[in-house]
Amino acid sequence: ETVLTQSPETLSLSPGERATLSCRASRALANIVLAWYQQKPGQPPRLLISASSIRAAGIPDRFSGSGSDTDFTLTISRLDPDDFAVYYCHQHGHSPATFGQGTRVEL
Amino acid sequence: VQLVQSGPEVKKPGESLMISCQGSGYRFPNYWIAWVRQLPGKGLEWMGIIYPEDSDARYSPSFQGQVTFSVDKSISVAYLHWSSLKTSDTAIYYCARGDEGSPLGGPFDSWGQGSLVTVS
Repeated sequence: ETVLTQSPETLSLSPGERATLSCRASRALANIVLAWYQQKPGQPPRLLISASSIRAAGIPDRFSGSGSDTDFTLTISRLDPDDFAVYYCHQHGHSPATFGQGTRVEL
Repeated sequence: VQLVQSGPEVKKPGESLMISCQGSGYRFPNYWIAWVRQLPGKGLEWMGIIYPEDSDARYSPSFQGQVTFSVDKSISVAYLHWSSLKTSDTAIYYCARGDEGSPLGGPFDSWGQGSLVTVS
């Protein structure tokens, strides 16, 4: 299966700072099959980014996605207090679909 | 778009269980429904997907033979079934709406609230 390795495991930052989250795939992925989700405690995941760089409906433009092949990045340009959560990358191009192990963005 | 899942369950090992996920606000038959497991304090695991129009189901090898997906498209409900639960099945299970055009269902743009299953 395609393994997604996210780094770092935990990112300790302050509001207003920039967050850069990495997702590395064990095999090449087409951009269209890479997505990012945000999950807060006690809530289901929420789709942030699809096709590597397309923001989902209602997602603020401080969230951006980039990358290609095996290396993908989620950037939060200026952290809002509401952004402290766990973030998962997800590939749905190779069966079985898989998720990364998550990056926790903490205060 | 809304997905509403059935409530928490407490079961004993060896018992059977079916949980549900009702979709509304969209054409239920024409979008994949995915099932995703989250073990306590852990990350997300893709269990598989089912297409309500024709019940085409695709399972992750990790879950093949362990669970069964089904749907009743007439009432816009998807089901996740266990015939014999194990303590290791204790987790939150999410359903999510996928992309009708994607062979593995992703990405998932709407999620149920999750169903907590406790096996003890």
